[in-house]
Amino acid sequence: SQQGEEDPQALSIQEGENATMNCSYKTSINNLQWYRQNSGRGLVHLILIRSNEREKHSGRLRVTLDTSKKSSSLLITASRAADTASYFCATDLGTSYDKVIFGPGTSLSVIP
Amino acid sequence: NAGVMQNPRHLVRRRGQEARLRCSPMKGHSHVYWYRQLPEEGLKFMVYLQKENIIDESGMPKERFSAEFPKEGPSILRIQQVVRGDSAAYFCASSPRAGYGYTFGSGTRLTVV
Repeated sequence: SQQGEEDPQALSIQEGENATMNCSYKTSINNLQWYRQNSGRGLVHLILIRSNEREKHSGRLRVTLDTSKKSSSLLITASRAADTASYFCATDLGTSYDKVIFGPGTSLSVIP
Repeated sequence: NAGVMQNPRHLVRRRGQEARLRCSPMKGHSHVYWYRQLPEEGLKFMVYLQKENIIDESGMPKERFSAEFPKEGPSILRIQQVVRGDSAAYFCASSPRAGYGYTFGSGTRLTVV
């Protein structure tokens, strides 16, 4: 069974709208990360949020973490066509070393 | 800083041949991770290495797959006697230490014919 799962599986929005993706996980964690992958390319690290943090911002990205619900959300504000990509959350397993497990991802399409 | 370098970008092998995938981590990064991705799927963890040590290989198939990260040189993921089911994109990532985000390479796309 997956450690992390993103929701929704796919999301299609108009340029300028906000996009929200959610991630749920099962075990205690040290930190949670979000990555973006453009089609056929490697993954790009977006944000890392630690278990003692509740919210983090980076440009148009906002990540929240609720450890009591074992969930996180990624908000992309004022979306652009270039934001079209797959987005993955990744969590460690709360152990002392940081192998991370990826969810299946959310495929985001931003329509110009 | 050239980032994480993987080569080759594309590799075609016939069934039964060996595939060797190379990964040079970012300068200053001593933690290396290998992941496999099938089309339209997420990344599956394979192995986590530090210099000369395998830390966690719980995602590696028991047979035909091996990985190393020698004191000098790149990390190598080796697949012996490849089968069609090994066709996938293999990504390498590195980090400076535990608790940091990963930097990914562009991947090696293995096709077994």
